[in-house]
Amino acid sequence: DTAVSQTPKYLVTQMGNDKSIKCEQNLGHDTMYWYKQDSKKFLKIMFSYNNKELIINETVPNRFSPKSPDKAHLNLHINSLELGDSAVYFCASSRQNSPLHFGNGTRLTVT
Amino acid sequence: QKEVEQNSGPLSVPEGAIASLNCTYSDRGSQSFFWYRQYSGKSPELIMSIYSNGDKEDGRFTAQLNKASQYVSLLIRDSQPSDSATYLCAVNHGSSNTGKLIFGQGTTLQVKP
Repeated sequence: DTAVSQTPKYLVTQMGNDKSIKCEQNLGHDTMYWYKQDSKKFLKIMFSYNNKELIINETVPNRFSPKSPDKAHLNLHINSLELGDSAVYFCASSRQNSPLHFGNGTRLTVT
Repeated sequence: QKEVEQNSGPLSVPEGAIASLNCTYSDRGSQSFFWYRQYSGKSPELIMSIYSNGDKEDGRFTAQLNKASQYVSLLIRDSQPSDSATYLCAVNHGSSNTGKLIFGQGTTLQVKP
């Protein structure tokens, strides 16, 4: 199946831990993104990579670090997790100026 | 002022009626406009895109864009209970080609049988 896939789907962890979310797309898109959706359903961009190059870096704490080993993968590593990091994180991909295709989301719960 | 604004709702319409969802945006340079539908616990899925002023129809959906008024809307004709979801308006920020989509907070639509 052609898709944007991210793992894990659910992630429950304690404050202070470090965790990673992985994302892969096989749509042949050049650009990949991480979005965060909070409890009020507000979807906000965090990062964007185009051909492994960081092109969008919103005001996100330094504890969040994206890594793109190739243009089909964009992972998100989060250090020293805090309660406020609890949210659903969506990976997405697109061609230039085209609509986003979203992954199924990772629901992160920090306790 | 938020960059993309929507009424959070819920908007409740009876089955078979027309649902009208509205969105305003602040960046006059925006060029691309999208409507996404998001069912509870699922990811957003694209249902309409519109790039020029006027109406664009696709089945029961019609997107309307008025750049002068910085306004984009989505009409859903013959609403069905399966249309009940949150509808997210998204605007490509400015005229750049970075693909940075700014989303509104979404409007929750409830279609009652």
